Amino acid sequence: AQTVTQSQPEMSVQEAETVTLSCTYDTSESDYYLFWYKQPPSRQMILVIRQEAYKQQNATENRFSVNFQKAAKSFSLKISDSQLGDAAMYFCAAAMDSNYQLIWGAGTKLIIKP
Amino acid sequence: DGGITQSPKYLFRKEGQNVTLSCEQNLNHDAMYWYRQDPGQGLRLIYYSQIVNDFQKGDIAEGYSVSREKKESFPLTVTSAQKNPTAFYLCASSILPGQGAHEQYFGPGTRLTVT
Repeated sequence: AQTVTQSQPEMSVQEAETVTLSCTYDTSESDYYLFWYKQPPSRQMILVIRQEAYKQQNATENRFSVNFQKAAKSFSLKISDSQLGDAAMYFCAAAMDSNYQLIWGAGTKLIIKP
Repeated sequence: DGGITQSPKYLFRKEGQNVTLSCEQNLNHDAMYWYRQDPGQGLRLIYYSQIVNDFQKGDIAEGYSVSREKKESFPLTVTSAQKNPTAFYLCASSILPGQGAHEQYFGPGTRLTVT
């Protein structure tokens, strides 16, 4: 079965420091897509970053970057220079089947300490 | 502005009543999705549609129904057969999958409480 696992229910980080959120997935497919979404208290789901499995280069979006380890089936999100506005639930999701339907992890709550 | 609207934001119903949640998008997306979100869990797919007048069941379709009469609209009906309907419901849309997976854009959600 295809699964996405986020093993950290909650993480906290001091403002301006760096934090890494973990995500692992399980699939036998070679072509798939990985996403990190952010859900702030408003509950609006927002795409943070996306990675295609066929690309070896890790995706980067400003202060957000991923560490994609294909062999280990790991897709972690690094947030640099954490800001108070980064406080949210972060969900890892993967599109791993022929219909590219998203399978979601349970989420990690990120707390930013001022 | 382009986006997805869901209404209402909060909805209260008595047990045994059907209720319909609205979802409208003006992004010209072909694909639309309904998800259910419960505390401590990831999103679970209820139904999705890739073309007008066609839709497919997701992982938890029992007790729900949908229609797709217009490209812009994908309403979800929570029927009295749904055993535990209280939840947060999210609607999303995307470019048609098929040439890779694309970002899904989400509406603000509807919190449904059934008592």
